[in-house]
Amino acid sequence: QQPVQSPQAVILREGEDAVINCSSSKALYSVHWYRQKHGEAPVFLMILLKGGEQKGHDKISASFNEKKQQSSLYLTASQLSYSGTYFCGTDRQAGTALIFGKGTTLSVSS
Amino acid sequence: GAVVSQHPSWVICKSGTSVKIECRSLDFQATTMFWYRQFPKQSLMLMATSNEGSKATYEQGVEKDKFLINHASLTLSTLTVTSAHPEDSSFYICSAIGTAANYGYTFGSGTRLTVV
Repeated sequence: QQPVQSPQAVILREGEDAVINCSSSKALYSVHWYRQKHGEAPVFLMILLKGGEQKGHDKISASFNEKKQQSSLYLTASQLSYSGTYFCGTDRQAGTALIFGKGTTLSVSS
Repeated sequence: GAVVSQHPSWVICKSGTSVKIECRSLDFQATTMFWYRQFPKQSLMLMATSNEGSKATYEQGVEKDKFLINHASLTLSTLTVTSAHPEDSSFYICSAIGTAANYGYTFGSGTRLTVV
């Protein structure tokens, strides 16, 4: 079952923050976040496992609320390089395929 | 880190011909390989799951006779698009998981197929 991402698109100025959400109606084992730039393969950002955790590196972090089956990706002090389409991929069991949301397009301008 | 090499990066073929896409895991054993297809401005859609030495499991709506998947070894999986048509033009990307203790998926770099 495809996770639901919101919002569909975000437009930011450099330095502004953004939050992208990913939710599922089914219990999840893990949530994976990727960023994809036009014409390129998705780039792995981070993985969050059930148990409810938060991760981050640099100005990008994410959380996974197991009770709500919702993950959020936090982008702080956005940079031009953050532009792209963000996908969350979810699985309900270890070793099964990731099912991706429809994506959130982030545009950062100077 | 784990690396999956996918070839070719792009291919243009004539309608009616077949195209083979390869994914090789370079530094780990890929017990399971997933194949995705992505149309412009859309998400990655799972086509099939293959386990080494077994027949692939196809998602609903994906023609198994058209998209042949072979996962004959722990380091190589291939996707052959048979009798390609313009509507098969898409970005195809593989993803592998292995036997390593660290849980994670490794994606190939993708193949852009254009059928003319």
